[in-house]
Amino acid sequence: EPEVTQTPSHQVTQMGQEVILRCVPISNHLYFYWYRQILGQKVEFLVSFYNNEISEKSEIFDDQFSVERPDGSNFTLKIRSTKLEDSAMYFCASLLGAYEQYFGPGTRLTVT
Amino acid sequence: AQSVAQPEDQVNVAEGNPLTVKCTYSVSGNPYLFWYVQYPNRGLQFLLKYITGDNLVKGSYGFEAEFNKSQTSFHLKKPSALVSDSALYFCAASSGAGSYQLTFGKGTKLSVIP
Repeated sequence: EPEVTQTPSHQVTQMGQEVILRCVPISNHLYFYWYRQILGQKVEFLVSFYNNEISEKSEIFDDQFSVERPDGSNFTLKIRSTKLEDSAMYFCASLLGAYEQYFGPGTRLTVT
Repeated sequence: AQSVAQPEDQVNVAEGNPLTVKCTYSVSGNPYLFWYVQYPNRGLQFLLKYITGDNLVKGSYGFEAEFNKSQTSFHLKKPSALVSDSALYFCAASSGAGSYQLTFGKGTKLSVIP
């Protein structure tokens, strides 16, 4: 069964450094998402991406965040200058159009 | 703004007994409602959805959920719990109408006791 994959599973970085989280969505899906879950809190929507552009973003998704689909398979989330409060589990999801999103296993980002 | 509430942080149920995990929502228009399950160190796994039609929807692993528009609820149920059902359950909603971003509840930890 096709699945969403994410790398790395765990990323440790120092405050102020740039990180890139990578996702490979399910191959025929059209919509792509990033969500995050701070430890002990809700899963929160960050951004959605369709037809090579951002379709929606939350107030969390400020100028330090960016997304890209550099080729036909990868979907990346870049955090330009990480802060301590960016420490969270980041989930990628993809959607074909049948309404349910399929989630990857997540990348745990730890900012020290 | 839309919101999803899961009033119970934890639900404990004996193996073989029926289980219910509660969810209420606040979404403008006709909501799209979902249940996801998360096992330790794993991603979110889709269980079932309500888009339109029958209020009782059936999903994976014997789970079902009932959409109640008047009570704005979408409770998850299973007639007979298994120990392997122990996990974290998330209710989620989207408003449809071209926006598929999900708003999640805080999650309910289900423990099925042998």
